Amino acid sequence: GIQVEQSPPDLILQEGANSTLRCNFSDSVNNLQWFHQNPWGQLINLFYIPSGTKQNGRLSATTVATERYSLLYISSSQTTDSGVYFCAPGPNDYKLSFGAGTTVTVRA
Amino acid sequence: DSGVTQTPKHLITATGQRVTLRCSPRSGDLSVYWYQQSLDQGLQFLIQYYNGEERAKGNILERFSAQQFPDLHSELNLSSLELGDSALYFCASSVELSLSPDTQYFGPGTRLTVL
Repeated sequence: GIQVEQSPPDLILQEGANSTLRCNFSDSVNNLQWFHQNPWGQLINLFYIPSGTKQNGRLSATTVATERYSLLYISSSQTTDSGVYFCAPGPNDYKLSFGAGTTVTVRA
Repeated sequence: DSGVTQTPKHLITATGQRVTLRCSPRSGDLSVYWYQQSLDQGLQFLIQYYNGEERAKGNILERFSAQQFPDLHSELNLSSLELGDSALYFCASSVELSLSPDTQYFGPGTRLTVL
């Protein structure tokens, strides 16, 4: 199956800082989503982004499908951004394959 | 709120028992996915149903089975439970009109503890 590598595994930020999370994947995809798992375990959709760039408030994401990577940008981080961020590409059969995640801790 | 509902939220049971997890997809979504999140395996795909039919299978054990009913809700049945089955089980739904991939929306999950 498709291999998904997320970096860094852990990230500690001061409130207000910016950061970039990276996701590399091993195969071509027709689906890619970014999720935020909050401390209560809920998986929250951030982006559906098999290619191109999208922005939503302080978050933006870019996927370069031909080079098999995606980036998630967090700007002006807030304590509520803490949690685990998952990249989940989906190959041709639509199911999502999750990376190990990046654990983000934002300190006030 | 994603619009996907799962019941129960928590389930505590003993080894060897059987449980049923229920999922109601978002209104209009035809596709239902089940995922398992455990400490050692991470988040992994179990099975997908589309409009009542099984479409894809992942790392689902033979002791586990699922179905999607005519009203599109889905149930995941776990039997002969083992300690290692303790995990957070997510259901996700997606509209996937014309069988095109689309955003998957995840429910709040069912936390299963096997004692």
